[in-house]
Amino acid sequence: DQQVKQNSPSLSVQEGRISILNCDYTNSMFDYFLWYKKYPAEGPTFLISISSIKDKNEDGRFTVFLNKSAKHLSLHIVPSQPGDSAVYFCAASGTSGGSYIPTFGRGTSLIVHP
Amino acid sequence: DSGVTQTPKHLITATGQRVTLRCSPRSGDLSVYWYQQSLDQGLQFLIQYYNGEERAKGNILERFSAQQFPDLHSELNLSSLELGDSALYFCASSVVGWGTDTQYFGPGTRLTVL
Repeated sequence: DQQVKQNSPSLSVQEGRISILNCDYTNSMFDYFLWYKKYPAEGPTFLISISSIKDKNEDGRFTVFLNKSAKHLSLHIVPSQPGDSAVYFCAASGTSGGSYIPTFGRGTSLIVHP
Repeated sequence: DSGVTQTPKHLITATGQRVTLRCSPRSGDLSVYWYQQSLDQGLQFLIQYYNGEERAKGNILERFSAQQFPDLHSELNLSSLELGDSALYFCASSVVGWGTDTQYFGPGTRLTVL
């Protein structure tokens, strides 16, 4: 049973436009959420995170939005660049109790066309 | 470069064999995690060590074992290998291994079991 779901295996956008990657979770105990980016032949790299006490966190071109009632988060990349082409993993953890190890989604492959 | 190193990069072996994957964490990080990524799957957490002691266990098979040595490097031992063990194995490290501690991933070891 997948507790973190990324329902779009792939996404294709034009350079300069917005990329929106979505993630849904089922476990109500999750209160910390992360996005990782992975290039081929490399390990995942931490991108941005958000705590459940916030509904938005921004870092440059990257913004993560959290909708706790819908158990949904999204990563917005504006403007998208060809170098953003990678696989993006959503992850969630529960910082209280024993579930601090992140549970990862299966990833969304983003392709940004020049 | 995350500062986490993994060796070897690639490993090809036969069913029934035993292999050892090695990970060196970032300087200063006390916690090491092992993950498995099979085809089209997310990162599945296997096991975590903190300062030489096992801290958390995920979906790790009994045929798999790990340890963290006094110099903080870690090894993942996979025995009686089966075709289904073919996957990417990632090591990650973090400072304290708790709560919202960010994990830094190595480049992975690609294991192919023939």
